[in-house]
Amino acid sequence: AQSVTQLGSHVSVSEGALVLLRCNYSSSVPPYLFWYVQYPNQGLQLLLKYTSAATLVKGINGFEAEFKKSETSFHLTKPSAHMSDAAEYFCAMTRAGKSTFGDGTTLTVKP
Amino acid sequence: EAGVAQSPRYKIIEKRQSVAFWCNPISGHATLYWYQQILGQGPKLLIQFQNNGVVDDSQLPKDRFSAERLKGVDSTLKIQPAKLEDSAVYLCASSSRLLSYEQYFGPGTRLTVT
Repeated sequence: AQSVTQLGSHVSVSEGALVLLRCNYSSSVPPYLFWYVQYPNQGLQLLLKYTSAATLVKGINGFEAEFKKSETSFHLTKPSAHMSDAAEYFCAMTRAGKSTFGDGTTLTVKP
Repeated sequence: EAGVAQSPRYKIIEKRQSVAFWCNPISGHATLYWYQQILGQGPKLLIQFQNNGVVDDSQLPKDRFSAERLKGVDSTLKIQPAKLEDSAVYLCASSSRLLSYEQYFGPGTRLTVT
């Protein structure tokens, strides 16, 4: 069975600091991988996706993620956090058309 | 391009009542998903349609939940009768295989069962 694990349900960083949100997946073959962001009272919005092309993927709002097959990881990073980045972030995988989401990481940005 | 539309945005009902949610996906997207998101958790897939056929409903509580997608476009999710534990946000999403299954989400319907 496929699964997605997000390490750390809450991450807090200072404004301007590095953001690192961790995601590990379990799948017998490399799946499609996604990061979504959810702001309060809104649906999820795609940040970026990995579809077996470049392993370093750049997304919107300065976020990027690196696919590491050997570590079955797809961690999300941003060099410098902004107050507007405070939200909940979900890692997801899709294989054979079936999607699985992690439980999410709440990012808090302190001034 | 219009996004995924859902209605209503909020619904409060008493337990044992019935409720229905509506979703209109992005035009041309063959795949439609209904998710249940309980506070503090990730979205849990309830049912996935490919056009008007069901691809996966393994996590749909079929004794009380039902869903349909007429003509492969709009979809309705129904709960009858509702239980307290059904309180959650119900998200609809759509995708296209041509876009590597990236999903476009609607704003969700927040259901409170009292």
